[in-house]
Amino acid sequence: DGGITQSPKYLFRKEGQNVTLSCEQNLNHDAMYWYRQDPGQGLRLIYYSQIVNDFQKGDIAEGYSVSREKKESFPLTVTSAQKNPTAFYLCASKGGALNSPLHFGNGTRLTVT
Amino acid sequence: RKEVEQDPGPFNVPEGATVAFNCTYSNSASQSFFWYRQDCRKEPKLLMSVYSSGNEDGRFTAQLNKASQYISLLIRDSKLSDSATYLCVAIMDSNYQLIWGAGTKLIIKP
Repeated sequence: DGGITQSPKYLFRKEGQNVTLSCEQNLNHDAMYWYRQDPGQGLRLIYYSQIVNDFQKGDIAEGYSVSREKKESFPLTVTSAQKNPTAFYLCASKGGALNSPLHFGNGTRLTVT
Repeated sequence: RKEVEQDPGPFNVPEGATVAFNCTYSNSASQSFFWYRQDCRKEPKLLMSVYSSGNEDGRFTAQLNKASQYISLLIRDSKLSDSATYLCVAIMDSNYQLIWGAGTKLIIKP
């Protein structure tokens, strides 16, 4: 079955450590996105990529980095520069047609102590 | 003013009732619209696309009003399992920019 896989589901890190969240899709989608969601809040865009080897900052990119070396993969690194990294992180992808919806992975819940 | 606005709720509705909520958008470049459902601590899941001609799927009806720049979601004969947060999203004509509403929380009570 086609879909988006995020791993791990839960991640625990100590403050000061960088951590990388995995996102893989086999939907053959060009566009991929990373969102952050805090409790009771909406989705905030961290980074997005329209095509391999290209990505753009979203609204809250500070303290995060991404790469897009393969169409299928869009990993997100949460660096120690991110002040409040504890959150629910959602990866998504989108097909090329204007009326194509976004498909989400199951999310990674990151806790930094 | 936010580009896409939703009443955060919560909407407390008795089981079996009909409930409707809107999502207004300010950018006329918005071209495509969708409703998503998000359960607590889960990822958003696509509920339905929104067309100006209307879109019905069982108990759910979505509508787009371009002149007034809002989309609506109507849920008939609500079930306990409809309790969730409903998110709307507008896709700009650039095709890759998406603007999300913050969500409307719906609670269906027995």
